Amino acid sequence: AQKVTQAQTEISVVEKEDVTLDCVYETRDTTYYLFWYKQPPSGELVFLIRRNSFDEQNEISGRYSWNFQKSTSSFNFTITASQVVDSAVYFCAAGVSGAGSYQLTFGKGTKLSVIP
Amino acid sequence: DTEVTQTPKHLVMGMTNKKSLKCEQHMGHRAMYWYKQKAKKPPELMFVYSYEKLSINESVPSRFSPECPNSSLLNLHLHALQPEDSALYLCASSQEPGAGYNEQFFGPGTRLTVL
Repeated sequence: AQKVTQAQTEISVVEKEDVTLDCVYETRDTTYYLFWYKQPPSGELVFLIRRNSFDEQNEISGRYSWNFQKSTSSFNFTITASQVVDSAVYFCAAGVSGAGSYQLTFGKGTKLSVIP
Repeated sequence: DTEVTQTPKHLVMGMTNKKSLKCEQHMGHRAMYWYKQKAKKPPELMFVYSYEKLSINESVPSRFSPECPNSSLLNLHLHALQPEDSALYLCASSQEPGAGYNEQFFGPGTRLTVL
């Protein structure tokens, strides 16, 4: 069984500020997968990134970057120079492979509000 | 086509009504999912279809009845719902069943209100 903890329930930042969303995971599996999804007010969950447990490279995509550290079981997400369009609920999730392993374990989500 | 579509976007129904939610994907994905999401909560898995067969039912009440007519379509039939069933219902798909590394692609959801 896995557990994903997003300790930040809500964050507010002023536009152009940088913001980091925290995600801590617990799992007994040696191979696992971590995901970030964005859910804007419209409701659709948008896939942002997947990271495999054996690949600790950080990743940058435009204003988004992800820091995966197995030593601290964290997979944090940073938005640089935030914009109003970044306002959404962000979910961190974990998954494993294997028979019947369909379920994503979601964190409770962090609501990000970017104020103009 | 990298979309999952869902209809209707909004649905209001009485407790005695019968209605259906529809979901469609044309990405060739072989796993499809129904989730229920209450306000300010993460999505909760309801059902998983793997190669058009029901693989997982997360102890969902029988008033929810899923159906997978073909590899692109997923329905959720609703009957005799309760007000507490009001929620956002999300459909998702992924490439391979049982492969945790496959990201799930979500539809925009159906906002259901049961009166």
